[in-house]
Amino acid sequence: QLQLQESGPRLVKPSETLSLTCTVSGGSISSINSYWGWIRQPPGKGLEWLGGIYYRESTFYNPSLKSRVTISVDTSKNQFSLKLSSVTAADTAFYYCARHRATTISVVDYWGQGTLVTVSS
Amino acid sequence: QSVLTQPPSASGTPGQRVTISCSGSSSNIGSNTVNWYQQLPGTAPKLLIYSNDQRPSGVPDRFSGSKSGTSASLAISGLQSEDEADYFCAAWDDSLNGHVVFGGGTKLSV
Repeated sequence: QLQLQESGPRLVKPSETLSLTCTVSGGSISSINSYWGWIRQPPGKGLEWLGGIYYRESTFYNPSLKSRVTISVDTSKNQFSLKLSSVTAADTAFYYCARHRATTISVVDYWGQGTLVTVSS
Repeated sequence: QSVLTQPPSASGTPGQRVTISCSGSSSNIGSNTVNWYQQLPGTAPKLLIYSNDQRPSGVPDRFSGSKSGTSASLAISGLQSEDEADYFCAAWDDSLNGHVVFGGGTKLSV
């Protein structure tokens, strides 16, 4: 059974860069059937897709955040990562890493448990 | 402001049938399939319906999806108390090099 686990700082200062890593277990991040992505949810609000990456490093990003988001993959560690630069309080949210089906990227069939990242000085 | 439009809330009594709508445009629902996610309180979302009307293994057949033009619907029949959750629709959007878009979510009260 595929499992995903987010890790990284839970508190980030305004203007700094938010960095999270997702460790994949129970399957290979090099699977041709998978895109790996990040989705966030401000407390009490809706879902926002941040972007996704294929193991060969083909990426898609949310156009509204593209200038601040970088997603990368480390096949040797079976991990992928998110960097969100110049954060503000509006970036406070639960951040989920997720597996997207490569055939239909909008299908997210495995989710991490999510981690709350707070932006505050 | 979400790209896909959902009603913020819906309600029903046990045993009833409820539907949740999701409205989009030609660049998303009009040209791509729709997926639905269920989020129980305090948990990560779970895939409920994919490719408009397909249920993943383990999802009861009380849940069904449909799509017509630039709109989609999720129907829940035989409503149960454990169906009380937030429901989100999602689709691929072909604009701006392509990206995933979500609805704002519908809170279902039973």
